[in-house]
Amino acid sequence: GDSVTQMEGPVTLSEEAFLTINCTYTATGYPSLFWYVQYPGEGLQLLLKATKADDKGSNKGFEATYRKETTSFHLEKGSVQVSDSAVYFCALSRLNNQGGKLIFGQGTELSVKP
Amino acid sequence: GAVVSQHPSWVICKSGTSVKIECRSLDFQATTMFWYRQFPKQSLMLMATSNEGSKATYEQGVEKDKFLINHASLTLSTLTVTSAHPEDSSFYICSARDRLDFSAGAYEQYFGPGTRLTVT
Repeated sequence: GDSVTQMEGPVTLSEEAFLTINCTYTATGYPSLFWYVQYPGEGLQLLLKATKADDKGSNKGFEATYRKETTSFHLEKGSVQVSDSAVYFCALSRLNNQGGKLIFGQGTELSVKP
Repeated sequence: GAVVSQHPSWVICKSGTSVKIECRSLDFQATTMFWYRQFPKQSLMLMATSNEGSKATYEQGVEKDKFLINHASLTLSTLTVTSAHPEDSSFYICSARDRLDFSAGAYEQYFGPGTRLTVT
């Protein structure tokens, strides 16, 4: 079945450091891929998405490229801020997967120190 | 746009009682809503998919008689935890898919802020 695997956290970085959170997926066909962010005590917010191979999603300085050949959708940011501290979830969705339900990775906690 | 609210944001109830959680799409119509459960420092576990006007589809291992889901309108779905016990304590999150997004072929889900349930 479909699945998403993320690098384990927690990830601790200093402010202005470069961030990479790895995400790989297993799915048949061409799923849509998403990154969601969850701040402490809150629900999930969509950070960015890509719907086909080689698409690059970007938002708030974060970006991720849909790589079909490596089945990956790694999240990157050039310079993190303390306010980026949160849990990041990679997810996929396919229409013929029971109406497009989201399959989530296990989440990666990011902590940015000043 | 695309705002989803949940009520209450947190609730404490006694063991054996029932509690209802509401999920509303505020500025769009949602033919499909999803209910998730999240344990501390863990990912979201899909409990059920709720389609307006029809019975919910539950994931394997989720007790449908314990977690009652009703999706009576295009903007409201409710989750009722019946005869709650301490092991039901968790963070419950709903999401909704915009009817118009779905028609356009986009499958994004908009998430509510979550409801923290504590059963004593």
